Amino acid sequence: RKEVEQDPGPFNVPEGATVAFNCTYSNSASQSFFWYRQDCRKEPKLLMSVYSSGNEDGRFTAQLNRASQYISLLIRDSKLSDSATYLCVVLLFGNEKLTFGTGTRLTIIP
Amino acid sequence: DADVTQTPRNRITKTGKRIMLECSQTKGHDRMYWYRQDPGLGLRLIYYSFDVKDINKGEISDGYSVSRQAQAKFSLSLESAIPNQTALYFCATSALGYGYTFGSGTRLTVV
Repeated sequence: RKEVEQDPGPFNVPEGATVAFNCTYSNSASQSFFWYRQDCRKEPKLLMSVYSSGNEDGRFTAQLNRASQYISLLIRDSKLSDSATYLCVVLLFGNEKLTFGTGTRLTIIP
Repeated sequence: DADVTQTPRNRITKTGKRIMLECSQTKGHDRMYWYRQDPGLGLRLIYYSFDVKDINKGEISDGYSVSRQAQAKFSLSLESAIPNQTALYFCATSALGYGYTFGSGTRLTVV
């Protein structure tokens, strides 16, 4: 079983719609959680950290369910510029190495 | 200038050749990493270094070696390149309590 699993998509969503991505992780010792965004042929960039209480940054909301070992990302009022691959990323307790999911590809359609 | 600079950006090399990918950073971070990315497999860790005298293997280190020449420099070598090492390679840096910063990547093709 992969340490971090994501639905690869692709998700093709009309502009203005709400879209949600899910991610599961296998190691219960996982400590920190992130969503990264990667544009085609570019480097991954940190989108947001994910906190236990859930957190919001503008149109983006991230949630963590430790009991189910599940992370989500919600994008509201999607824009064309949101088209990218979204990577779910996990950091194990006592380990400074990030483990990446394979990513979910999102395309926003005009 | 970019915080994390990788050279070259693109490289085509022949099977059996030795090749070095270089990474330098201006962020002052002590931790540096090399990842490769393949379609459908995501980012996989090759080697990492938490300081100049520390080198550690990642999940796919076979066929690769690294050198941490200074805090700011971390190079990745393919001693004898093979076609299945064709991939997009990323260098990244971090410091305790901070997230990763990635370089722009090196697209390597082994023919």
